[in-house]
Amino acid sequence: EAGVAQSPRYKIIEKRQSVAFWCNPISGHATLYWYQQILGQGPKLLIQFQNNGVVDDSQLPKDRFSAERLKGVDSTLKIQPAKLEDSAVYLCASSLDRGFSYEQYFGPGTRLTVT
Amino acid sequence: SQQGEEDPQALSIQEGENATMNCSYKTSINNLQWYRQNSGRGLVHLILIRSNEREKHSGRLRVTLDTSKKSSSLLITASRAADTASYFCATAGGGADGLTFGKGTHLIIQP
Repeated sequence: EAGVAQSPRYKIIEKRQSVAFWCNPISGHATLYWYQQILGQGPKLLIQFQNNGVVDDSQLPKDRFSAERLKGVDSTLKIQPAKLEDSAVYLCASSLDRGFSYEQYFGPGTRLTVT
Repeated sequence: SQQGEEDPQALSIQEGENATMNCSYKTSINNLQWYRQNSGRGLVHLILIRSNEREKHSGRLRVTLDTSKKSSSLLITASRAADTASYFCATAGGGADGLTFGKGTHLIIQP
């Protein structure tokens, strides 16, 4: 079974530029999550989708971050404009369905460096 | 915000020894999960323990949960060099599906 795919794996941009990350979840998984992991910390949930709808975006900095999952499969996370503090690894995870009991499977992440 | 706090932040032991990591959390939970992260394989799910369970085993892993103290421990027995990684506890519950992670324990196994 193929895992969660993410691209690019690495990205370096200057502050105030824009960047987009792509995630392809495990086939058949209805729930998709984006997490931000700053160096030395654990991942922090940014947004959760159930199919193509947003379940939880309470921790997403909506002034600069946006995310979509238009067809309920792939998802894109965008930052515009980027700040230095956005340097982090962005992890995508998926689960079969929403709820505590379903295991989340994580992708390899995209490491973003903002200079 | 971080829910869990792992202790210690870093741990270095000899291969073959046991490693114990602790996690404390703040709010009520449905379950608590442990993950391992290294540069080669990303974030990998290790074990899940539900709030009504007190102990769970999986291979060389043993997890305990004390909901009265809001704490959990992860024991890795007979450690191997391949166990070198960062270990995170993550809690689920409180009306949200997403996981709330701690800051992690960095484990180094010396050959």
